[in-house]
Amino acid sequence: GDSVTQMEGPVTLSEEAFLTINCTYTATGYPSLFWYVQYPGEGLQLLLKATKADDKGSNKGFEATYRKETTSFHLEKGSVQVSDSAVYFCALSDGQYTGANSKLTFGKGITLSVRP
Amino acid sequence: DAGVTQSPTHLIKTRGQQVTLRCSPKSGHDTVSWYQQALGQGPQFIFQYYEEEERQRGNFPDRFSGHQFPNYSSELNVNALLLGDSALYLCASSSTWNTEAFFGQGTRLTVV
Repeated sequence: GDSVTQMEGPVTLSEEAFLTINCTYTATGYPSLFWYVQYPGEGLQLLLKATKADDKGSNKGFEATYRKETTSFHLEKGSVQVSDSAVYFCALSDGQYTGANSKLTFGKGITLSVRP
Repeated sequence: DAGVTQSPTHLIKTRGQQVTLRCSPKSGHDTVSWYQQALGQGPQFIFQYYEEEERQRGNFPDRFSGHQFPNYSSELNVNALLLGDSALYLCASSSTWNTEAFFGQGTRLTVV
């Protein structure tokens, strides 16, 4: 079945450091890929998405490129802020859309802490 | 727009009891999915409802059941609670042909 593997955490960085969080996936067909963020005590928020190979998703300074050849969707940010401290989840959907007949498969998540 | 709302926020139940969690989807959404997030883990798909029918189901026992109402809201029922059912239960809503699922803040269930 489908699966998502994220690098082991937690990750602690100083403010303005460069961030990379690795994510690889296994799926049949052509999944869409997502990064979700979870702040303490809150639900999940979509950070960015990519629906086909070579697409780049971007939002709030974060970027990730859908690499079909390496089955990867690594998250990057050039300069992290204290407010980026949260748990980050990589996910895939088994269809082009997350409506009817599509479900999300998540990685285990990684906790990012950014110190001033 | 109220977004996805879940109730209650927190719940404590005793092993063997039954529980019902509720979810109201974002306005305009017709699909509701439920996920279980154990501590330190990613969310696991339980099932999805569309047009008042269960359309997909994850690897969860029959103790987990659900319902969708004509107004698209949904309930998740868990019978014969086990200690291992303690988790954050997340509801996500989406609309057909939309690439984004919106999540509620979740219900924290503790089974003692």
